[in-house]
Order: sequence, then C-alpha cells, then structure tokens
Amino acid sequence: EDQVTQSPEALRLQEGESSSLNCSYTVSGLRGLFWYRQDPGKGPEFLFTLYSAGEEKEKERLKATLTKKESFLHITAPKPEDSATYLCAVRIFTGGGNKLTFGTGTQLKVEL
Amino acid sequence: DGGITQSPKYLFRKEGQNVTLSCEQNLNHDAMYWYRQDPGQGLRLIYYSQIVNDFQKGDIAEGYSVSREKKESFPLTVTSAQKNPTAFYLCASSIGTGISNQPQHFGDGTRLSIL
Repeated sequence: EDQVTQSPEALRLQEGESSSLNCSYTVSGLRGLFWYRQDPGKGPEFLFTLYSAGEEKEKERLKATLTKKESFLHITAPKPEDSATYLCAVRIFTGGGNKLTFGTGTQLKVEL
Repeated sequence: DGGITQSPKYLFRKEGQNVTLSCEQNLNHDAMYWYRQDPGQGLRLIYYSQIVNDFQKGDIAEGYSVSREKKESFPLTVTSAQKNPTAFYLCASSIGTGISNQPQHFGDGTRLSIL
C-alpha cells in the first residue's frame, strides 16, 4: 500500500534555530513529490515540486531535497512567520492521472 | 487575480439535509478536485474531474456527488447519506492530470458542521 509519513508531528523552534522536517514514502512509481504550507483555516499553498532523487529546490529560508525514500524540508534561521503546518504529497502513476497521496503534516511553531 | 474561490466559508447542515459547496476557478485549469481534511489525517480525495462533463470517484466518494457543467465550476453536494460530514473541505485545480510536475492549487476551504 502506498504510504506517506511525515515527522515529527509537531516541532517547536526558537527564532533562528534551523531544523529539518521529514517526509518518507513507500510508493511504487513515484511521479513527483510536492511540499505545501498550510496556515490555520486556509488551504494549502504550493511550495515545491521535486521529481528525481538528488534534486533540490530553494525558496527564501526553505530548501527541499529528495532521495529515493524520503524528502527533507530544511528551514534555515526560521522566523515566527514561518509557523504553519507543512504538508508533503506524492503523485503516483495510476490510470486516473494526477492524483496525490498526502501525509498528515508537521505543525511548526517558531517562537521569539 | 487568478485563483480558486470556495463558498461559503462556514456551512451548517441539519439531519437529513443535502448541502452544496461551491468551487470556482479562473485559472483556466482543466482538472479540478475535492478533498476532505480531518484532524490528524491527510487530505483524502473525494472526487476529481479531468474535463468538463466528466468526473471520477476518489477514495471516499460515498455520500457525496459532484457535477462539472462548466470548466470554471465544480460544486460538491454532501448528501444525507454521508453520516459523518463534519470536516474541512478543500477544492483544488491543476493544469491537467497528465502533466507530472504541475502542482494542484487550493482554495481556502469550507468548514462544514452538523447542527
């Protein structure tokens, strides 16, 4: 069965304290891994797409990396405005096209 | 600005009542999706549509129905057969389902509660 597991479930950081969020997956036929940010009461906001092992993407304080088994979202010198839930999702090959399987998310809190 | 608009933001359902959630997009996307989000669970796919007048069941379609009469619109009806409808409902769209790297973009959701 295709599975996506995110860890930790929750993470509390001090401002400036760098860390990483993990997304591990067991799927057959990966066709892309996506990272989203979700603020309370809002829809997920797209951050990155990673397609092949070794690929890296960066945006401001965020950097996403991908291996054959997992992806990391590295947060460098986070600020309070980075507080959100971070979701990862994998696209697998099916007859139905662009369908995503989501993890349950990591809830990040950055404190002053 | 292009985007996805969901309405209403909050919705209350009485026992035995059907309710319809609206989703409109002006991104000119072909594909549209409905997800359900519950605490502690990942987003689960209810229905999706790859083109006008066509849609497919997702993983949890029982108790829900959809239509796709226009490219811009993909309303979701939560029927009385859905016994546990309380959740946060998210609509998404993407350029197409056959393009691997194109992300899905989401609206800001409708929170449905039982009265």
